[in-house]
Amino acid sequence: SQTIHQWPATLVQPVGSPLSLECTVEGTSNPNLYWYRQAAGRGLQLLFYSVGIGQISSEVPQNLSASRPQDRQFILSSKKLLLSDSGFYLCAWSAKRGGRDTEAFFGQGTRLTVV
Amino acid sequence: AQSVTQLDSHVSVSEGTPVLLRCNYSSSYSPSLFWYVQHPNKGLQLLLKYTSAATLVKGINGFEAEFKKSETSFHLTKPSAHMSDAAEYFCVTYNQGGKLIFGQGTELSVKP
Repeated sequence: SQTIHQWPATLVQPVGSPLSLECTVEGTSNPNLYWYRQAAGRGLQLLFYSVGIGQISSEVPQNLSASRPQDRQFILSSKKLLLSDSGFYLCAWSAKRGGRDTEAFFGQGTRLTVV
Repeated sequence: AQSVTQLDSHVSVSEGTPVLLRCNYSSSYSPSLFWYVQHPNKGLQLLLKYTSAATLVKGINGFEAEFKKSETSFHLTKPSAHMSDAAEYFCVTYNQGGKLIFGQGTELSVKP
């Protein structure tokens, strides 16, 4: 069966420090991968979307970047964190079967607090 | 363009009474539609999905949703609310580029 791992669960980082959040998927190949951010009391904002290795689209201009060094690994990074980067970050994956989009599966999230 | 709109940002019900969370969609073709639930500080869990098969979809925890093309709706219902149903609920679809599109979310409160 497929599983998704996202870590760390919580993170407190000072302003100006770097960030690296990692997400890995097991049990499937060539998944679509997503990074979302959820600010307190708000909906989910799509940050990055990837359909394959090295294929990443950025949805909003921001202080963050994403990389997909392997088929089932998706990394969210920042060189210098801002206070506004605080939030709940979610990784997700989905697949296409028979031309239809399947449901997405989400990691447990990372609560990032920038201080 | 494909999109979903959740009509209520907050719904409050009493335990044991019915739940109705409303979602309208906009799509130029038959969409895939999903409902997810999120408990505080947790990831999202799939409740149910519509992918052009039966229009009445049954999900986990007693939830169901009906796809109504004439009304472009995919409302989530449950006959009897339980305290554990209190959470944030999201209606979700895909756009033509294959990206997940989320509704704004509905917070469900359940009063004892």
